[in-house]
Amino acid sequence: GQNIDQPTEMTATEGAIVQINCTYQTSGFNGLFWYQQHAGEAPTFLSYNVLDGLEEKGRFSSFLSRSKGYSYLLLKELQMKDSASYLCAVRDSEYKLSFGAGTTVTVRA
Amino acid sequence: ETGVTQTPRHLVMGMTNKKSLKCEQHLGHNAMYWYKQSAKKPLELMFVYNFKEQTENNSVPSRFSPECPNSSHLFLHLHTLQPEDSALYLCASSPSDGNGANIQYFGAGTRLSVL
Repeated sequence: GQNIDQPTEMTATEGAIVQINCTYQTSGFNGLFWYQQHAGEAPTFLSYNVLDGLEEKGRFSSFLSRSKGYSYLLLKELQMKDSASYLCAVRDSEYKLSFGAGTTVTVRA
Repeated sequence: ETGVTQTPRHLVMGMTNKKSLKCEQHLGHNAMYWYKQSAKKPLELMFVYNFKEQTENNSVPSRFSPECPNSSHLFLHLHTLQPEDSALYLCASSPSDGNGANIQYFGAGTRLSVL
């Protein structure tokens, strides 16, 4: 089966930077996705990486290393509204999306 | 608003009841999905429909029965469920471009409690 690992919880201070790591072992690779999910709400798309390197989108950046089976999501200038669960998902050789269990980020004042 | 609407948002049912979950997308996508999300567990893919045809059934028990009458609507019919089926059921849709990112957009889910 597919194996996607990410930390369960992280806590950071408002204005700080937090890096959420994701490692994966899947049958093939056709892209890695990050989603944000606030409690009781829909997961919303944040970023997509299919080639190695860093993708920057405002305060959020995502990095991918396919050879290492590794990605991270970087959240800069943290705001209280960034408190949420962050889901790492990998699309495999059959184009199916497999998710990690999610990382709950708590931003404190 | 993600363009994917799920109803109802909350559902409580007994093990002998029959109920249906509904999903509607207004994004012009051709693929639709059902996922199960349990506390502290990864999203589990249940069913995939592509151009109204079921292309994936991820070993889901027969007490869950999907229906996709057109590319914009997806249903999940429930009958004789078990308490362990209590979870958040998420619907998603995406394009079906061969070489594209085919990003999945999710609804807010139906919180199901089976008593």
